Amino acid sequence: AQTVTQSQPEMSVQEAETVTLSCTYDTSENNYYLFWYKQPPSRQMILVIRQEAYKQQNATENRFSVNFQKAAKSFSLKISDSQLGDTAMYFCAFMKHLGGATNKLIFGTGTLLAVQP
Amino acid sequence: ETGVTQTPRHLVMGMTNKKSLKCEQHLGHNAMYWYKQSAKKPLELMFVYSLEERVENNSVPSRFSPECPNSSHLFLHLHTLQPEDSALYLCASSQDRQGAFGGELFFGEGSRLTVL
Repeated sequence: AQTVTQSQPEMSVQEAETVTLSCTYDTSENNYYLFWYKQPPSRQMILVIRQEAYKQQNATENRFSVNFQKAAKSFSLKISDSQLGDTAMYFCAFMKHLGGATNKLIFGTGTLLAVQP
Repeated sequence: ETGVTQTPRHLVMGMTNKKSLKCEQHLGHNAMYWYKQSAKKPLELMFVYSLEERVENNSVPSRFSPECPNSSHLFLHLHTLQPEDSALYLCASSQDRQGAFGGELFFGEGSRLTVL
């Protein structure tokens, strides 16, 4: 079974600094997707960044980038120039294809990030 | 207006009550999901519907009963719940294509359920 592990329940960073959130996963599949989702205090989960497993190049989205190490099954999120609005719960997730047109997103326990002014 | 709307936002019910959670997506997606979010636990996938057909049921107790009358609406009917069922219930939708995956899930804001 696929599992996703986030070993940092809480983290804190000063505004404008850089922070890295860790994530490891376990799977025997070769083709899959990895995601980081953000859940601000308003609770709606939104996508931060997505990585396709067969792509070696790390995904980047503005201030957000990932360090994808497929052999190590590691998928960390780096947030540069942290802003107060980045304060949220961050979830790492693994997408498994169920067949046909159906997918399954498996989440970690989350990391609560607090950006301090 | 968000793409995925959930009602009610908050619900308090007794263990003998029957209530329903509603989810509506305005994104034209063909798959919908129910997740349960409890403190300090990973989000638990409960049900997946693809083209209105249930394709995944993660050993969810029968006191939770999903219904997907069309591709835009998803319900979660609740009956004789237990206090441990108190949690945030999240609905999500996605546009899945045969032979390809990796599409983003869009989430609603959730329904906070408290069972007394």
